[in-house]
Amino acid sequence: ETGVTQTPRHLVMGMTNKKSLKCEQHLGHNAMYWYKQSAKKPLELMFVYNFKEQTENNSVPSRFSPECPNSSHLFLHLHTLQPEDSALYLCASSLDADSTEAFFGQGTRLTVV
Amino acid sequence: GEDVEQSLFLSVREGDSSVINCTYTDSSSTYLYWYKQEPGAGLQLLTYIFSNMDMKQDQRLTVLLNKKDKHLSLRIADTQTGDSAIYFCAETITGSARQLTFGSGTQLTVLP
Repeated sequence: ETGVTQTPRHLVMGMTNKKSLKCEQHLGHNAMYWYKQSAKKPLELMFVYNFKEQTENNSVPSRFSPECPNSSHLFLHLHTLQPEDSALYLCASSLDADSTEAFFGQGTRLTVV
Repeated sequence: GEDVEQSLFLSVREGDSSVINCTYTDSSSTYLYWYKQEPGAGLQLLTYIFSNMDMKQDQRLTVLLNKKDKHLSLRIADTQTGDSAIYFCAETITGSARQLTFGSGTQLTVLP
C-alpha cells in the first residue's frame, strides 16, 4: 500500500463513451502524475501537476483531459478513445515535482472496445 | 535522447540469486532507480542510487552501478516466489521524479 489510490481498478468503455479515472493521495504530496503503461513498452509520462498547476503535457491527445481540483486529487477524463488507448494508467505523487521519490498507485486497467 | 534498456525476461530457481541488468545512455543521469510491479499492482519503489555511488545494499537487495559503462544491476539474494514480478529500471538527470525515464521492465519468474 503506497498511499496512492486509484479507481476504478478496471474499466471497459466504448469509443463513444465518456469516463473518468480518479486518483487520490493523503500523503501530503503536492505533485501528481499520470502515466500510461502499454504492454512491453516503457512507462510514458502523460501529465504533471505541481501545486494544482499543470506543468507538463507530453503531447497527449486532447481526448485525454486531466483535472486537478486540489493537491490530493487528480482525474483523467476520457472521451472518444481509440482501441490503441487500451493500457494500464498509473497515477503517482511526490512531495513536489522536484522530489526524488515518486509513489505509484495500483493503476486502472482500461480497455477500449 | 535518453534511453533505458533491460532484458525482457529472467527465470531463476527459488533460493538462487537473481541479477537484473539495465543499461542507460545518458551519462548525466544523477539518480537511478529500481521499481517492482507485482501482477495487477502499481509500481513500488525498491531502492535508488545516486550516481556518485557504485554500490548500495539493502537487506537482500544489492544495487551495483558502473557509471563508466552506464550499467546498473539489481541483485536479489535468496530469491523467493514472492519476488516474481516485473522490475523496472529508471533514471533521471535532474533528480526529479517528474523526469523519470523508465525501461520496458524485466519479468522475473521464480521457479520452485
